[in-house]
Amino acid sequence: QVQLQESGPGLVKPSETLSLTCTVSGYYISSGYFWGWIRQTPGKGLEWIASIYPSGTAYYHPSLKSRVTIAVDTSKNQFSLKVSSVTAADTALYYCARDLRFGLDPWGQGTLVTVSS
Amino acid sequence: EIVMTQSPATLSVSPGERATLSCRASQSVNSNLAWYQQKLGQAPRLLMYGVSTRATGIPARFSGSGSGTEFTLTISSLQSEDFAVYYCQHYNDWPQTFGQGTKVEIK
Repeated sequence: QVQLQESGPGLVKPSETLSLTCTVSGYYISSGYFWGWIRQTPGKGLEWIASIYPSGTAYYHPSLKSRVTIAVDTSKNQFSLKVSSVTAADTALYYCARDLRFGLDPWGQGTLVTVSS
Repeated sequence: EIVMTQSPATLSVSPGERATLSCRASQSVNSNLAWYQQKLGQAPRLLMYGVSTRATGIPARFSGSGSGTEFTLTISSLQSEDFAVYYCQHYNDWPQTFGQGTKVEIK
């Protein structure tokens, strides 16, 4: 059974960098599929952020591309997300998920990140 | 960016009744359309992909139809565990985008 678990600080100061890690169990990331990050807010709903393939090929949401970096560490069976220069608008529930390219499944439980001084 | 629009925002249905949810894309997404269910306090769960293929473990009362820009998710006979928020999502190209959701509530 594939399971994903997000981890990272729950509070980030404005202008700093948000860093999250997703640890995958029950499946080797290196075996294939894309791996992605999605965030959810009451105002904007579900927003796909980025997805990465084990080879390193990555795709980003155009509106976030200048501030976002997604990376994969197959040795640790993890992938990560960095969002730089955060503002209150980056406050959200962040999810990681396996991106099958025909749907996102499964998802992690989500981690709430608040941007505040 | 393709905009996904769902209707209605809220659907009030009695248990045992049929629920029909709509999703419209601002341009064709072919058959690259998925549906998700999200219950309160939980992550979304993949229900359907390729418009009409149920994900693993999804009961047959869930069905999907449509193509191009107009899609429908039908729940044939609502069970108590089906009251939730449902999202459509296209994966036709990047960025993949979601609709704003339809809340199915008990009437």
